[in-house]
Amino acid sequence: GAGVSQSPSNKVTEKGKDVELRCDPISGHTALYWYRQRLGQGLEFLIYFQGNSAPDKSGLPSDRFSAERTGGSVSTLTIQRTQQEDSAVYLCASSLANAVSYEQYFGPGTRLTVT
Amino acid sequence: AQTVTQSQPEMSVQEAETVTLSCTYDTSESDYYLFWYKQPPSRQMILVIRQEAYKQQNATENRFSVNFQKAAKSFSLKISDSQLGDAAMYFCASYTGTASKLTFGTGTRLQVTL
Repeated sequence: GAGVSQSPSNKVTEKGKDVELRCDPISGHTALYWYRQRLGQGLEFLIYFQGNSAPDKSGLPSDRFSAERTGGSVSTLTIQRTQQEDSAVYLCASSLANAVSYEQYFGPGTRLTVT
Repeated sequence: AQTVTQSQPEMSVQEAETVTLSCTYDTSESDYYLFWYKQPPSRQMILVIRQEAYKQQNATENRFSVNFQKAAKSFSLKISDSQLGDAAMYFCASYTGTASKLTFGTGTRLQVTL
C-alpha cells in the first residue's frame, strides 16, 4: 500500500513569508508525528497527534510554528514569518497508535530553504 | 530528559567487511526501547533494528545485530558482510512511554568502499 507522503518535496521561500507543509499518513494510522532535521543533525521532535488532538506540542520551537490535523488523516505544519534558521528538512511519520510497539513510518520529507 | 549520543560522525568500511557503529544514551526510565534507523540520500528513514530494554538478548536482523549493554547505556550496531547499499546515515534513537516520542542522535555517515 501507499506509504507516508509529504508535499511539497522542496520549498524555497523568502524570509518573512508563511509556508504550509503537508503530510498524508498511511491510511488507518491514528498517530502522526512531525520532526525537523537541520543540516548535519539528527531529528528533533516537533509535535505529535493522536487522532485530531495534539497531546504533546512541546517540541514546537516558537509560536510561529503551528500544526493541525483534520479528519484524523492529513496534517499541515505551518510556519509563519519564516526565518533563515527555519531552513531544514521537515519529516512526518505515522503509526497505528502512539505506542512503541507500533513502528513509525516516515515520509520523504520537505526540504525548506528560507532565503 | 532523554539524550542519545553518537560520537562517530563518519565511518568507512570495505565491502564484505564488518563495521560497528557506536551509540550511548541516557534515560531515567526503566522501560524504554532503542532503535537504529537508516537514512539514504532519498531522506526516507528506514527502521533497521529495535531492542526492548527489558530483553537481555541482543536483537538481530539478518546482517544487522546490536550489542546492548544496559548498565553502560550503550547500544552499538554491527553490520556484517557490508554491501554498497548499506551506505547511508545511521541514526540511533530511544523511546519511552512517558515521552511518547523518538529522541535521535546526530547520526553516523557510513561509507562503503570496494
